[in-house]
Amino acid sequence: DQQVKQNSPSLSVQEGRISILNCDYTNSMFDYFLWYKKYPAEGPTFLISISSIKDKNEDGRFTVFLNKSAKHLSLHIVPSQPGDSAVYFCAASALDPQSGANSKLTFGKGITLSVRP
Amino acid sequence: DSGVTQTPKHLITATGQRVTLRCSPRSGDLSVYWYQQSLDQGLQFLIQYYNGEERAKGNILERFSAQQFPDLHSELNLSSLELGDSALYFCASSVGGRISYNEQFFGPGTRLTVL
Repeated sequence: DQQVKQNSPSLSVQEGRISILNCDYTNSMFDYFLWYKKYPAEGPTFLISISSIKDKNEDGRFTVFLNKSAKHLSLHIVPSQPGDSAVYFCAASALDPQSGANSKLTFGKGITLSVRP
Repeated sequence: DSGVTQTPKHLITATGQRVTLRCSPRSGDLSVYWYQQSLDQGLQFLIQYYNGEERAKGNILERFSAQQFPDLHSELNLSSLELGDSALYFCASSVGGRISYNEQFFGPGTRLTVL
């Protein structure tokens, strides 16, 4: 049962344009969402996160939008640059009632973004 | 550089063998997580330790075990290895504890190949 879904395996955009990467989740207990970027032969690199009390978080060229009712989030990259070409993972976590902290991350399968010069 | 280190970078071994993967978290981080990334499965959570104690368990096989030492580094032990255990193993760390939301920072991974 895939609780975090990234249904599009790849996306190609022109340099300077907007990249929109989508992610859907099924577990209503998820309350913290993150995006990671991964280059080949490297570990995932944290990009941006959002908690369920917000619907938008912005950091430079990266903005994450959360639609709780639709169980959907998206990552917008504006403007896209060739160096953004990588695999992007959406991840989610739920508060552990025992520890009072977020714990394990559940990842989607990733989207390969290609930014054309 | 995330500040999380993992050794070795590559490991090639035979079926039935036992290996140990090592992880040092970022300075100040108390939580360590282990993930497995195989070709068809994506990143799967295995286990989490917080300040030396097991905190959460995911889809970790009984042949696998982990521990976190007093200096906070962690080791993942994989035994009776099978071909299907070939994967990338990532360690991540976070501040942990009762801080509700905290990002996990990943190491570069150990690529395990079982022949």
